[in-house]
Amino acid sequence: QKEVEQDPGPLSVPEGAIVSLNCTYSNSAFQYFMWYRQYSRKGPELLMYTYSSGNKEDGRFTAQVDKSSKYISLFIRDSQPSDSATYLCAMGTSNTGKLIFGQGTTLQVKP
Amino acid sequence: GAVVSQHPSWVICKSGTSVKIECRSLDFQATTMFWYRQFPKQSLMLMATSNEGSKATYEQGVEKDKFLINHASLTLSTLTVTSAHPEDSSFYICSARDPLGNSPLHFGNGTRLTVT
Repeated sequence: QKEVEQDPGPLSVPEGAIVSLNCTYSNSAFQYFMWYRQYSRKGPELLMYTYSSGNKEDGRFTAQVDKSSKYISLFIRDSQPSDSATYLCAMGTSNTGKLIFGQGTTLQVKP
Repeated sequence: GAVVSQHPSWVICKSGTSVKIECRSLDFQATTMFWYRQFPKQSLMLMATSNEGSKATYEQGVEKDKFLINHASLTLSTLTVTSAHPEDSSFYICSARDPLGNSPLHFGNGTRLTVT
């Protein structure tokens, strides 16, 4: 079993839809949770960063962490074609920067 | 915000040659940088942790003599792929964290290496 599981998709939605992306993990020591967006042939771009459990909102993006269930989510409201990318969850046990990544979910938002 | 610059963005080399990739932190000093590798349609896998002024720490299965890491200053780490082979063709991405505050990792734009 991988430490971090993420459905690779692809996920296709119409413009304006609410998108839900998820990851599960097995290591209960993970404390830091991130979501990155990666466009083709580019490095990952940080979207959301959460420490421990709870929700965090930034514009159209909401990140949720449920440590009891070892489950994290990223919601995208009013999705746009420009949101089409691969979304990677990542997590770590400390803030030293060593992260374990999910496989990434490819999202396509159709106009 | 924190910016990490990586150079070159792509490189093609012949088997047996060596390739150097640079990673710079542009607006902060990074005592630690990280090198990841990403194969097509796969996730990022940590290769090594680059420590300024000391030896890099390699992940299990990564050959330290093949992937030479040098972190000679607080803003620059280099990864040299020595005696490259086609199976080394991949997307190499560096990252760094601003040690001031509680900021997360920021990534460079990656280097696509193709070994022919």
